[in-house]
Amino acid sequence: GQNIDQPTEMTATEGAIVQINCTYQTSGFNGLFWYQQHAGEAPTFLSYNVLDGLEEKGRFSSFLSRSKGYSYLLLKELQMKDSASYLCAASNTGFQKLVFGTGTRLLVSP
Amino acid sequence: EAGVTQFPSHSVIEKGQTVTLRCDPISGHDNLYWYRRVMGKEIKFLLHFVKESKQDESGMPNNRFLAERTGGTYSTLKVQPAELEDSGVYFCASSLGGLRGYTFGSGTRLTVV
Repeated sequence: GQNIDQPTEMTATEGAIVQINCTYQTSGFNGLFWYQQHAGEAPTFLSYNVLDGLEEKGRFSSFLSRSKGYSYLLLKELQMKDSASYLCAASNTGFQKLVFGTGTRLLVSP
Repeated sequence: EAGVTQFPSHSVIEKGQTVTLRCDPISGHDNLYWYRRVMGKEIKFLLHFVKESKQDESGMPNNRFLAERTGGTYSTLKVQPAELEDSGVYFCASSLGGLRGYTFGSGTRLTVV
């Protein structure tokens, strides 16, 4: 079976840092994706981790620990436009499909 | 470069009717995927095309759902007859190969009443 867990909702203040955690239990795990989705829009790619460690891309960073089945997305210098849902998704070896968590709705307030 | 286009953006139909959703992938993308998100749940995989062939349709809920990809270009997903539990947002995605560069469309919100 496959299971992805992430918090349902988080709130943060403009300019702050927020960390969104994701734990996964999947068979034949290959890599871990993070997507951002604004209401009514397409999920857009943020990051992909296949090896352990931190991947930094501007204000956004993503971390993966394969041994712990754990990932997080770190958002720095939060802006109002970062209010969105953040989706954690795992890919399995040999497949080209993604298994998603339910998403974390982030609300950034002034 | 045009993105993945889905049509219609919204559809409201009565239980028992038929609905056809369309997806136009990014030009040149051989891989096309359908996903669905029902209210309050996670996005779930439905099926995967490579060109016109179904590579994996393990996520299709039942035989009321029929997906086609004519000539390896656009794809359609038909629901016949629609049931209340089919309501949700249907996403299409395409890629050149592998999971990098996996681009989603904005989705079709289907409401069955």
